Amino acid sequence: SAVISQKPSRDICQRGTSLTIQCQVDSQVTMMFWYRQQPGQSLTLIATANQGSEATYESGFVIDKFPISRPNLTFSTLTVSNMSPEDSSIYLCSGSGLAGHGEQFFGPGTRLTVL
Amino acid sequence: GDSVTQMEGPVTLSEEAFLTINCTYTATGYPSLFWYVQYPGEGLQLLLKATKADDKGSNKGFEATYRKETTSFHLEKGSVQVSDSAVYFCALSGSTNAGKSTFGDGTTLTVKP
Repeated sequence: SAVISQKPSRDICQRGTSLTIQCQVDSQVTMMFWYRQQPGQSLTLIATANQGSEATYESGFVIDKFPISRPNLTFSTLTVSNMSPEDSSIYLCSGSGLAGHGEQFFGPGTRLTVL
Repeated sequence: GDSVTQMEGPVTLSEEAFLTINCTYTATGYPSLFWYVQYPGEGLQLLLKATKADDKGSNKGFEATYRKETTSFHLEKGSVQVSDSAVYFCALSGSTNAGKSTFGDGTTLTVKP
């Protein structure tokens, strides 16, 4: 299995500002994903982070609001831009591809509160 | 498209009770099936998986069998412990969705001593 770390673990931000979340994997993974999880709810996929190219966004998510980078196979960042209270959520990074059956390994999450 | 339907929660059980959390799926092709567990304040962890029909995944006393005929992957444990209190997610990864997974809504389990 892979060990995935995220930072920051939590943050409280002011409306209109931006926050960049970092995700580090301890071994190479084929795919990396970013999710949002509202308290008590399931995961919503934001995008697939592609190494060296633009991320692939799901319906309802756009690059201007959630720019994503993945400069190599083990690192990715997600920026939440021009934040509003509706962006308050847990943001999760995951990686897959180690064993080839699609299982994912998750980071501990970043708990974001926007005031 | 692919979808996963989980038994609605929350579920509250006494310690040593039998647990079943139902999960059914819709997918094209032959997906792999997973159960993930999320403890409070943590990310999801893979609990068990099954990659083809009739496979049984097992881990930490939990089991689930891939039933293609009923498109189900129900999670069971014979005797739950307080430490099993968590949110459980059923998920699938198909061959047609670019490596992405589809997750159920999650079922919150609380085990009381």
